[in-house]
Amino acid sequence: IAGITQAPTSQILAAGRRMTLRCTQDMRHNAMYWYRQDLGLGLRLIHYSNTAGTTGKGEVPDGYSVSRANTDDFPLTLASAVPSQTSVYFCASSESRSTEAFFGQGTRLTVV
Amino acid sequence: QKEVEQDPGPLSVPEGAIVSLNCTYSNSAFQYFMWYRQYSRKGPELLMYTYSSGNKEDGRFTAQVDKSSKYISLFIRDSQPSDSATYLCAMTNQTGNQFYFGTGTSLTVIP
Repeated sequence: IAGITQAPTSQILAAGRRMTLRCTQDMRHNAMYWYRQDLGLGLRLIHYSNTAGTTGKGEVPDGYSVSRANTDDFPLTLASAVPSQTSVYFCASSESRSTEAFFGQGTRLTVV
Repeated sequence: QKEVEQDPGPLSVPEGAIVSLNCTYSNSAFQYFMWYRQYSRKGPELLMYTYSSGNKEDGRFTAQVDKSSKYISLFIRDSQPSDSATYLCAMTNQTGNQFYFGTGTSLTVIP
């Protein structure tokens, strides 16, 4: 089934540790996104990529980095995790910037 | 002021009722509008995608866009318990780099 795969589905991480959340899509979409979802705050954009080889900062980029080496993969790295990064992380993709976005099932991250 | 405003609810209706979910927005450049359904502990699932003003119908769901009022709606006819979820509106424009989401409305359909 075509779609977006995120891994891991959940993780408990010690503060200060480095962590990479993986995201792979098989729809050959140009644009990919990372959002975090927190109660009462909704979905907030962390980083985006309009096409392979390019990335940009979203609303809440601090403490996160991304890379887009190819069309399919868009990993999100937390260099040194802090408790405020406890959240549910969603990867999404769209064919272009103005077409509908499709979401993965999320990664539930707890930083302790 | 947030780009997109959505009443968080919660909204509780009896089975078979017509449900109306709404969002308002401030950016007149938005042209593309989406509604997502999100079940607990799942990712958002696209329900409807519309461009500019007008109505779009898909089964029991109707999406309505009124650009002059900066107001979008999702109507659910003959609501079912399986419709119980959080509904998110989203929108973007041709040159934007992101989708702007409402915070979601929690809906419960009571059998």
